Amino acid sequence: SQQGEEDPQALSIQEGENATMNCSYKTSINNLQWYRQNSGRGLVHLILIRSNEREKHSGRLRVTLDTSKKSSSLLITASRAADTASYFCATDSIYNQGGKLIFGQGTELSVKP
Amino acid sequence: KAGVTQTPRYLIKTRGQQVTLSCSPISGHRSVSWYQQTPGQGLQFLFEYFSETQRNKGNFPGRFSGRQFSNSRSEMNVSTLELGDSALYLCASSFRAGGYNEQFFGPGTRLTVL
Repeated sequence: SQQGEEDPQALSIQEGENATMNCSYKTSINNLQWYRQNSGRGLVHLILIRSNEREKHSGRLRVTLDTSKKSSSLLITASRAADTASYFCATDSIYNQGGKLIFGQGTELSVKP
Repeated sequence: KAGVTQTPRYLIKTRGQQVTLSCSPISGHRSVSWYQQTPGQGLQFLFEYFSETQRNKGNFPGRFSGRQFSNSRSEMNVSTLELGDSALYLCASSFRAGGYNEQFFGPGTRLTVL
């Protein structure tokens, strides 16, 4: 079963607007990673945030992590049509042996030109 | 640096057959993980290999198996294929053992079982 729950399941915005996606998880983690997937292709790694970090930035991306609430958010600022994709959060639980990631069900983002 | 490569990209098989998928990790990466993605179940972890040893395994039947070679390349095998095995199979590589590393994914192998 999946650990992560993502919210919303689908999001439609206009180019230039900001997009916020949320992820909640169940068990304590070592880190949380965000990925993008275009139309059933491979996953593109966006950002990793460690459990002792609260916020991280990469270009137009901002990720926050609240371990007390077991939740994370991904903010994409000034969105572009090329940002249209599915976005997944993936957690590495402290109970894992090895590199097992548990994925949320994803948020489908549509950015209209 | 070249990314993670997976071959073949597409496969069509019939029920009862077996299939082998291949994954070449990023140069220098020693950990390879495999995932299955379906519309109904989403992304699910199959297994992970590090230095030719399976370190973790997901909840899949024994028909799903894998191995890793000394050059870190990995293969997964599915025997006695079922219709429900139709999926996108993704492999990911990371540099170090343990969870404090980004996992980089390949483009996937889309398997269709008829």
